[in-house]
Amino acid sequence: DQQVKQNSPSLSVQEGRISILNCDYTNSMFDYFLWYKKYPAEGPTFLISISSIKDKNEDGRFTVFLNKSAKHLSLHIVPSQPGDSAVYFCAASVQGAQKLVFGQGTRLTINP
Amino acid sequence: KAGVTQTPRYLIKTRGQQVTLSCSPISGHRSVSWYQQTPGQGLQFLFEYFSETQRNKGNFPGRFSGRQFSNSRSEMNVSTLELGDSALYLCASSSDLISSGNTIYFGEGSWLTVV
Repeated sequence: DQQVKQNSPSLSVQEGRISILNCDYTNSMFDYFLWYKKYPAEGPTFLISISSIKDKNEDGRFTVFLNKSAKHLSLHIVPSQPGDSAVYFCAASVQGAQKLVFGQGTRLTINP
Repeated sequence: KAGVTQTPRYLIKTRGQQVTLSCSPISGHRSVSWYQQTPGQGLQFLFEYFSETQRNKGNFPGRFSGRQFSNSRSEMNVSTLELGDSALYLCASSSDLISSGNTIYFGEGSWLTVV
């Protein structure tokens, strides 16, 4: 029973364009969502988060959108840069608990 | 400000042995959680400690245990190792419940190979 799903295992985007990574969840109790970026052999690096009381949060090139009715969130990266090539994980939490439920990850490749 | 520090970074153990992994959280953080990452199961929550007490637990067998010390440093132990325990073990820390002003930061992980 996968409560957080990232249905695209991989995504390839041209440098300078927008990257859109998607995440779906099934547990309506989730009320806080986070995105992490991970390089091989390193721990996940926090990117951006959003509370369920909001539908958008922006931080520099990164914007996260939350659609509670569809139980869907997305991460937009604009413009995409070669250094953005990594695996991206979305994660969800109930009431701010550190017990994060992760998606399977999407490997993003930015092509020059 | 130093990040989350995990030791050792790499280790190889034999089936049936036990292993202890160590984690030093970011200074001032009282919550430490542990995750396992494998190619098949992805990132899975093991347990979380806050002020030396286990506050949350994931769905792992009793062979997986942990503890937290008064200085917030944490250790996790896996006994009677199985081949399937080969994974990247990640430690994460936060000051308390996550919110818009507080998030979870991960260490670089300990790579465990069981042979």
